Amino acid sequence: KAGVTQTPRYLIKTRGQQVTLSCSPISGHRSVSWYQQTPGQGLQFLFEYFSETQRNKGNFPGRFSGRQFSNSRSEMNVSTLELGDSALYLCASSWQLAGFQETQYFGPGTRLLVL
Amino acid sequence: AQKITQTQPGMFVQEKEAVTLDCTYDTSDPSYGLFWYKQPSSGEMIFLIYQGSYDQQNATEGRYSLNFQKARKSANLVISASQLGDSAMYFCAMRTESGAGSYQLTFGKGTKLSVIP
Repeated sequence: KAGVTQTPRYLIKTRGQQVTLSCSPISGHRSVSWYQQTPGQGLQFLFEYFSETQRNKGNFPGRFSGRQFSNSRSEMNVSTLELGDSALYLCASSWQLAGFQETQYFGPGTRLLVL
Repeated sequence: AQKITQTQPGMFVQEKEAVTLDCTYDTSDPSYGLFWYKQPSSGEMIFLIYQGSYDQQNATEGRYSLNFQKARKSANLVISASQLGDSAMYFCAMRTESGAGSYQLTFGKGTKLSVIP
């Protein structure tokens, strides 16, 4: 079974631009979550989607948005990029994200550098 | 608020020796899940082991075991017979309900493990 895939793996943008990251979950998984990882803040939760609906959102500005498609693939968008948005963006999928015992499986991440 | 504390920023262990990575957590929820992930330099987070708050026995997965002490709110990861490939960042995480039937994973800052040949 293929794991979680994320594209692109690396990205360089300049301040003010916007970026879209893509995530394909493990086949059969219906829930997708996004995390931002930086050396200073560590791993922070961005949002999670289930059945095309955003069910939970972390404490990030409105410049960060996402969506999920009917095939469970998800995209994350960051508009008006700032230098502080440079980070590793990780996507995680799980069967349905219900219950504290549900395990999330992560993709390889997209490394975003904002210049 | 949920919190995970990993007090060891870095650890060294000799190849073939056992090592314990510390994790303490703070939550007022009676139901929670505890997870350990490994992150090699490539970036991907690899799931290692899970322990539920109601589990009576400590979880084990191959060379990984979780020393769960509920009263002390600790969930230490024990790696037996360390291998060079175990060199990586290790994250402890806790999953709790964040409201309206949704759940959130909270991570610690991580411990960098280096295995010495």
